[in-house]
Amino acid sequence: DVVLTQSPLSLPVTLGQPASISCKSSQSLVHSDGNTYLNWFQQRPGQSPRRLIYRVSNRDSGVPDRFSGSGSATDFTLKITRVEAEDVGVYYCMQGTQWPRTFGQGTKVEIK
Amino acid sequence: EVQLLESGGGLVQPGGSLRLSCAASGFTFSNFGMSWVRQAPGKGLDWVSTISTAGNSFYADSVTGRFTISRDDSKNTVSLLLSSVRADDTAVYYCAMSTQADVWGQGTTVTVSS
Repeated sequence: DVVLTQSPLSLPVTLGQPASISCKSSQSLVHSDGNTYLNWFQQRPGQSPRRLIYRVSNRDSGVPDRFSGSGSATDFTLKITRVEAEDVGVYYCMQGTQWPRTFGQGTKVEIK
Repeated sequence: EVQLLESGGGLVQPGGSLRLSCAASGFTFSNFGMSWVRQAPGKGLDWVSTISTAGNSFYADSVTGRFTISRDDSKNTVSLLLSSVRADDTAVYYCAMSTQADVWGQGTTVTVSS
């Protein structure tokens, strides 16, 4: 199975400052169709998860442009340019290239 | 607007069975695979199962042979039959649209306890 390792697991951030989360895969996530199926999700306290980014760098509808995804093959990053109070929660990466699907452990973003 | 509404959760004894359902609306259901993801109390996300548009099913190792996913395109529903449940199946179970979990429901809680 593909293992996704996120870092850090806890991320205290000052409002208005940038934040960055890493997701490293134990195997290349490039699919045989040429796409890389690496997704990012946000789970605010008490809410269901919400997808932010699909296929590494594509923002879902309604996602603020302060969120961006980048990376390739085994190394991926989610960046928030300026953290806002509503960004508090846990962020997960998920690979959709291989079966079984797998998630990273989650990174908890909190305000300092 | 895409909506997913899970139901069927509750308290079940170890070794028992439970059927979860997810009613979908706001998109052409038959064109999308559907997935179930769970979250144990205080833990992270754990993919459980996916069914493709053609009816092919995929399972996590931890539930293979015990859980069964199915879909009814005439009713826009996807179901998950939980059998031989164990304490570590206790979780909120989320239904998600597609094989890439585009949109999620609000979840239904399953508690396995005697």
